Amino acid sequence: SQWGEENLQALSIQEGEDVTMNCSYKTYTTVVHWYRQDSGRGPALIILIRSNEREKRSGRLRATLDTSSQSSSLSITAAQCEDTAVYFCATDDATGYQNFYFGKGTSLTVIP
Amino acid sequence: AQTIHQWPVAEIKAVGSPLSLGCTIKGKSSPNLYWYWQATGGTLQQLFYSITVGQVESVVQLNLSASRPKDDQFILSTEKLLLSHSGFYLCAWSLTSAETLYFGSGTRLTVL
Repeated sequence: SQWGEENLQALSIQEGEDVTMNCSYKTYTTVVHWYRQDSGRGPALIILIRSNEREKRSGRLRATLDTSSQSSSLSITAAQCEDTAVYFCATDDATGYQNFYFGKGTSLTVIP
Repeated sequence: AQTIHQWPVAEIKAVGSPLSLGCTIKGKSSPNLYWYWQATGGTLQQLFYSITVGQVESVVQLNLSASRPKDDQFILSTEKLLLSHSGFYLCAWSLTSAETLYFGSGTRLTVL
């Protein structure tokens, strides 16, 4: 398996709070994707960070990547109700064989 | 603009019956294509990928098969459904390895 430490399964926060989700992976990857999945829908990419980047920002989202510890995090600043979703990290296996591995995912609920 | 269409939206099938799910990508030539399976409340498991017409690689064995009869079409099928096949099936495309996965809306399969 590509995955080591389990992601948190469920998080519930108040609107306006900041939240961070973590994932770790076992083998070398060239990129970490973070996807958001709304109920009953397919996942959609929200941020992608490459192995030569330490941090990536997009609006209220911030992703970090630490290749030495093989871990990544996704932070949401001032969470809003519409951030309620399941968040997954995903990596490739760097073999060029088109394999993407998804982590366990975090179900985030933002309470008004 | 690229569009991805999955059909059907939902299926209820009996154990032992056959299944065929489809996916069509418009607006992009020669994409990489993927099938993923997601149990309720679970993560995404890659099933198959294809980088060209007529070529499909299996990632996990789940008594399913896939085919790519046309550049823009990806089919998932089995001759005999099992209870364990229930779940959410997602088709996705990407331009190259390690790039963004674009998912369809998925097919909800219930096997009784």
